[in-house]
Amino acid sequence: AQSVTQLDSHVSVSEGTPVLLRCNYSSSYSPSLFWYVQHPNKGLQLLLKYTSAATLVKGINGFEAEFKKSETSFHLTKPSAHMSDAAEYFCVVSASSGGSYIPTFGRGTSLIVHP
Amino acid sequence: EPEVTQTPSHQVTQMGQEVILRCVPISNHLYFYWYRQILGQKVEFLVSFYNNEISEKSEIFDDQFSVERPDGSNFTLKIRSTKLEDSAMYFCASSDWGSNTGELFFGEGSRLTVL
Repeated sequence: AQSVTQLDSHVSVSEGTPVLLRCNYSSSYSPSLFWYVQHPNKGLQLLLKYTSAATLVKGINGFEAEFKKSETSFHLTKPSAHMSDAAEYFCVVSASSGGSYIPTFGRGTSLIVHP
Repeated sequence: EPEVTQTPSHQVTQMGQEVILRCVPISNHLYFYWYRQILGQKVEFLVSFYNNEISEKSEIFDDQFSVERPDGSNFTLKIRSTKLEDSAMYFCASSDWGSNTGELFFGEGSRLTVL
């Protein structure tokens, strides 16, 4: 079984300040982990992915995430928020195990960026 | 860059009517999914499809839902008799598990409004 917990439903930051969106996962197998972004009235876009290579993963738009197995975490960070980063962010865990290939979504974190 | 396409982008229907949502997955992908997102809520797994049959489905995917890959390119979701609570954004996704990452490639979504 696998699950994802996004610890914050909303995160509010000022433009130019750092962003931290937290994600913890549970998986019986070696997971792949993803962050997707959804802008208002848009589809889901892949930001970055961890697939058992480097534990620090860089994505698009200056985002990065670090896989920490000991903490079962995959937090998303960005050094400096931009107004265009305001969106919904989803952490997703995926693992091929026992014939199941179902990526599981977290509940989402809404990032609010203030001028 | 290959992409998943979905039609229609928005459909309005009367309660009790049948609806078919269409998706064209990425051509060399073998796993196909439907997810649903009710407004303001999390992205929920509905069903996965592999080798021309359903591989897994959630408790949401009851007898009023069905999926089909009629011609080797399209992947459809049918809702036989729509209910008000079926109003949601429906996302199609495809995946290439050959790379064993489980990354989902999403379409832009089909917004269903049931009146």
